[in-house]
Amino acid sequence: QSVLTQPPSASGTPGQRVTISCSGSSSNIGSNTVNWYQQLPGTAPKLLIYSNNQRPSGVPDRFSGSKSGTSASLAISGLQSEDEADYYCAAWDDSLNGHWVFGGGTKLTVL
Amino acid sequence: EVQLVESGGGLVQPGRSLRLSCAASGFTFDDYAMHWVRQAPGKGLEWVSGISWNSGSIGYADSVKGRFTISRDNAKNSLYLQMNSLRAEDTALYYCAKGHTPLYDSSGEYFDYWGQGTLVTVSS
Repeated sequence: QSVLTQPPSASGTPGQRVTISCSGSSSNIGSNTVNWYQQLPGTAPKLLIYSNNQRPSGVPDRFSGSKSGTSASLAISGLQSEDEADYYCAAWDDSLNGHWVFGGGTKLTVL
Repeated sequence: EVQLVESGGGLVQPGRSLRLSCAASGFTFDDYAMHWVRQAPGKGLEWVSGISWNSGSIGYADSVKGRFTISRDNAKNSLYLQMNSLRAEDTALYYCAKGHTPLYDSSGEYFDYWGQGTLVTVSS
């Protein structure tokens, strides 16, 4: 069971807006920034959003991130077929000796 | 262009050891923290270990603490993971990931580049 909780699946039709949630606690999301990674089928993960809401260069502005309290969200607007992938949230967790934690991942299907 | 190339994976019996390597290029290696992240077949991502720019600070997931050792050689632009006492549950694709800051445990840290991974299978 992952420290950060994500829905296992999400779906939408082309052009729609979808959101993926990520729930944590005071020791991780509540006190540290959240990063999101996209993993296309058969490939390595790729940084999608960092520091809650920042996009690396090359990531379309259709992708946006937000954080409130101990939860974070990834929103994808104008959904495209190439967005079909697994999405993971991650954050530093201050508990015990400290460690990085990931969500269990959300498989996004474009219908 | 940042490149991270992992090697050293393979089939190993439970209880045996394996050493993974990650060759880095395209950036100033000794300016950044480095990490190992693994993904069991059909499962999600799990952070394994991180090391700061000068090896002065190191961390491990509880699942590997005491069995795995991370190290780096800045002169060779290389990251390593020595894995001892391997278990079936260590079977996974192991990714090398570049950190964005010098410290693996800073809240502003994130994994900005990933290698393609090397597969470790622990089975008798």
